[in-house]
Amino acid sequence: SQTIHQWPATLVQPVGSPLSLECTVEGTSNPNLYWYRQAAGRGLQLLFYSVGIGQISSEVPQNLSASRPQDRQFILSSKKLLLSDSGFYLCAWSVGALRDTEAFFGQGTRLTVV
Amino acid sequence: SQQGEEDPQALSIQEGENATMNCSYKTSINNLQWYRQNSGRGLVHLILIRSNEREKHSGRLRVTLDTSKKSSSLLITASRAADTASYFCATDARNSNYQLIWGAGTKLIIKP
Repeated sequence: SQTIHQWPATLVQPVGSPLSLECTVEGTSNPNLYWYRQAAGRGLQLLFYSVGIGQISSEVPQNLSASRPQDRQFILSSKKLLLSDSGFYLCAWSVGALRDTEAFFGQGTRLTVV
Repeated sequence: SQQGEEDPQALSIQEGENATMNCSYKTSINNLQWYRQNSGRGLVHLILIRSNEREKHSGRLRVTLDTSKKSSSLLITASRAADTASYFCATDARNSNYQLIWGAGTKLIIKP
């Protein structure tokens, strides 16, 4: 069966420090991968998605970047964190387009920038 | 931009009662999905209903879709304490195959 791993679960980082959040998917090949951010009490905002290795689409211009070095690995990064980067970050995957199918989510990372 | 809007924002009921949550959206869709999120956790997919479907069931869950009113409802029957969570609807986006448009969610509390 397919599983998705996202770590760490919580992270406290100082302003200006770098960030690297990692997500891996097991049990499937060539998944579509997504990074979302969720503000408190709100819905999800799509940050990046990837349909293949090295293919990254950005939905929102910001201080963050994403990379997909391997088929089932998706990394969210920042060179210098801002206070406004605090939030709940969720990785997800799907087989095919979300127009036709559902997304499966990791457990999320609570990032607090201090 | 937010397309799905859930109603109510919060709902508190007694265990055993039925819980109904509603979602409205603005543009035509291919599908509408419902997800559950326990506090501080990831989202879990519940049901996907396509635009040509009117009703779908999964266990104690019943989802309806009215495309003429651009609305959907999620009914949880015989609620349990474990159903306490936030529930989100999401619709596919017209201009992207990989984007879901999310509502802000309904926070459901089941009182034992």
